[in-house]
Amino acid sequence: DAGVTQSPTHLIKTRGQHVTLRCSPISGHKSVSWYQQVLGQGPQFIFQYYEKEERGRGNFPDRFSARQFPNYSSELNVNALLLGDSALYLCATQTTGTSAYNEQFFGPGTRLTVL
Amino acid sequence: GENVEQHPSTLSVQEGDSAVIKCTYSDSASNYFPWYKQELGKRPQLIIDIRSNVGEKKDQRIAVTLNKTAKHFSLHITETQPEDSAVYFCAASGVGNTDKLIFGTGTRLQVFP
Repeated sequence: DAGVTQSPTHLIKTRGQHVTLRCSPISGHKSVSWYQQVLGQGPQFIFQYYEKEERGRGNFPDRFSARQFPNYSSELNVNALLLGDSALYLCATQTTGTSAYNEQFFGPGTRLTVL
Repeated sequence: GENVEQHPSTLSVQEGDSAVIKCTYSDSASNYFPWYKQELGKRPQLIIDIRSNVGEKKDQRIAVTLNKTAKHFSLHITETQPEDSAVYFCAASGVGNTDKLIFGTGTRLQVFP
C-alpha cells in the first residue's frame, strides 16, 4: 500500500512568484492537513480539509490557500512568495476527520526555497 | 492561544541509558498526544501516541505518560541505541472542530556508542 506522496520534492522560486504543491493521500484517507516546517522548528498547521471542505485554518496570511479534490488529493497554493516562505511543506492524511481516533501519516514533504 | 512547550531542546545520552523528554500543553480540551521522530531530511514518523482516557502506554522500549491535571506528558526511551538519534517532537490535538496538531519545538537526541 503506497504511503502519502507529495510533489514536487524540491522547488526553487523567486520572490513574488506563485507556487502549487500537491499531496496524494493513502487510499481510504479522506482528510488532508498541510503544515509548514521552517528549519530547526516544529511543523506549523496551515490547513485541514476533510471531505473536500475546509475543517480548519492556521495563522497564515491569505496568500496561502488550499483545496481538496473529489479523489481526496489536495493542493496548497502560495501567492506572492516571500523569502520567509522558504520551508519544508508537509501534508498529513488520516482516515477520518478525528485525530483522536486516527493516526495522521505524513508525506515526505516539498522543500521550497524562495530566492 | 494553544501552545506546547517541550524540554530539553537537546539531550545527549550514552548507549543503553534512558532518555526522557517532557511536554506541557496549554489547552485543557486537547485529547490526543502523539510523539513523532524525525531524522534529518525525512518526514516525521509517529512512534507512539496516547489518548486522554489513558494515563500510560508502552511499546517495547518506548513509553508515554500523561497527566491531564497538570497538562503534562512525557516520552521515555529505555536502553537507547545509536539509531534512536533524531529530533523528537511532541504534539497535542483535539481542540475544536479541527484535528490540527500543535507541535512542540523539538528535542535533538544524540545517543553515543
